Amino acid sequence: AQSVAQPEDQVNVAEGNPLTVKCTYSVSGNPYLFWYVQYPNRGLQFLLKYITGDNLVKGSYGFEAEFNKSQTSFHLKKPSALVSDSALYFCAVRDGSNYQLIWGAGTKLIIKP
Amino acid sequence: DGGITQSPKYLFRKEGQNVTLSCEQNLNHDAMYWYRQDPGQGLRLIYYSQIVNDFQKGDIAEGYSVSREKKESFPLTVTSAQKNPTAFYLCASSARADHNQPQHFGDGTRLSIL
Repeated sequence: AQSVAQPEDQVNVAEGNPLTVKCTYSVSGNPYLFWYVQYPNRGLQFLLKYITGDNLVKGSYGFEAEFNKSQTSFHLKKPSALVSDSALYFCAVRDGSNYQLIWGAGTKLIIKP
Repeated sequence: DGGITQSPKYLFRKEGQNVTLSCEQNLNHDAMYWYRQDPGQGLRLIYYSQIVNDFQKGDIAEGYSVSREKKESFPLTVTSAQKNPTAFYLCASSARADHNQPQHFGDGTRLSIL
């Protein structure tokens, strides 16, 4: 069965420091991986995706994610955090046999000035 | 601006009442989705539609119904059979129901029980 785990409910980072939001997944075939961000009382916004190719994927707002097949991980990263990055982040995965996205529970990212 | 519009932003349901949440997109997308979001949980799929006049049940379809009579519209009805409807409902669309297509989201409808 497909599954996604975001092991941290909350991540706290000081402004200007690098940030990492973790995601691990389990699928039976090749994974299609996505990161989304949600601000309070808003819908989700697409940040980036991994389909195939280069393991380091660059996305919106300076975010990037590294696909690691052996560790079945797709961690979201940013070299220098901004207070405005504070939000809820969701990882999602689907495999090649299913159109349905499977969502992680979300990680609340708090960037302190 | 192209996007997805959900209305109303807030909705209150009385016992035994059916309510309908609106979702309209002008992105010319084929696929549309309804999700339910509860605190501390990921999104759970209620229904999805890959094309006009076709839709499929998701993981938690019981107590909900949808229609897809037009490409741009995918309304969700929360029926009285849904005993715990209080949640944040999100509508999304994608160009196609392909594996690599990102989904675009509306700003949600928050449903509460009176």
